[in-house]
Amino acid sequence: NAGVTQTPKFQVLKTGQSMTLQCAQDMNHNSMYWYRQDPGMGLRLIYYSASEGTTDKGEVPNGYNVSRLNKREFSLRLESAAPSQTSVYFCASSEVRDTEAFFGQGTRLTVV
Amino acid sequence: GENVEQHPSTLSVQEGDSAVIKCTYSDSASNYFPWYKQELGKRPQLIIDIRSNVGEKKDQRIAVTLNKTAKHFSLHITETQPEDSAVYFCAASRAQFYFGTGTSLTVIP
Repeated sequence: NAGVTQTPKFQVLKTGQSMTLQCAQDMNHNSMYWYRQDPGMGLRLIYYSASEGTTDKGEVPNGYNVSRLNKREFSLRLESAAPSQTSVYFCASSEVRDTEAFFGQGTRLTVV
Repeated sequence: GENVEQHPSTLSVQEGDSAVIKCTYSDSASNYFPWYKQELGKRPQLIIDIRSNVGEKKDQRIAVTLNKTAKHFSLHITETQPEDSAVYFCAASRAQFYFGTGTSLTVIP
């Protein structure tokens, strides 16, 4: 039982490049989330998926897209990376809304 | 949307003393309030949570209180130990989680 697994763990991008962050959970959870964590700003929600087939914007969705590929997988795509997107990205999942969220190990992304 | 404020941003206590972290929220419809602990370089992990129909919850040295009328909730850690040193985040949830900005707790041996 691996929980929530994110790939990659580290990534350096050049401005304008694109990439996809992958997230998978093996707990049969319905809800999945993508957060970014910046110093002094806590965890800010980018997008979430309440259930398979649905996605909704969070607090800071600009510059990102998501895909809920199936119940297990929720990916985050940066189409044209900007230095302001340098951050640590966390994927999380919960059984249903308003229950404990389990986090992945994070992806440290640097955009130069 | 929801707005969660957390204070203080940093907190230092002597080993054995108590630590209190406070949060306020704005959306009266929020009904789930978890607290997460994040050690340096690690993922956040749940330490305790409380629902809106409960006023207080305790788990060994950790307790959380909720005042729905005032829209604030607090984390209390008693008999602090060096391994309690970490960043603590509160959150308020109504379908999606909104986090506070975190409190860096240092327990001095």
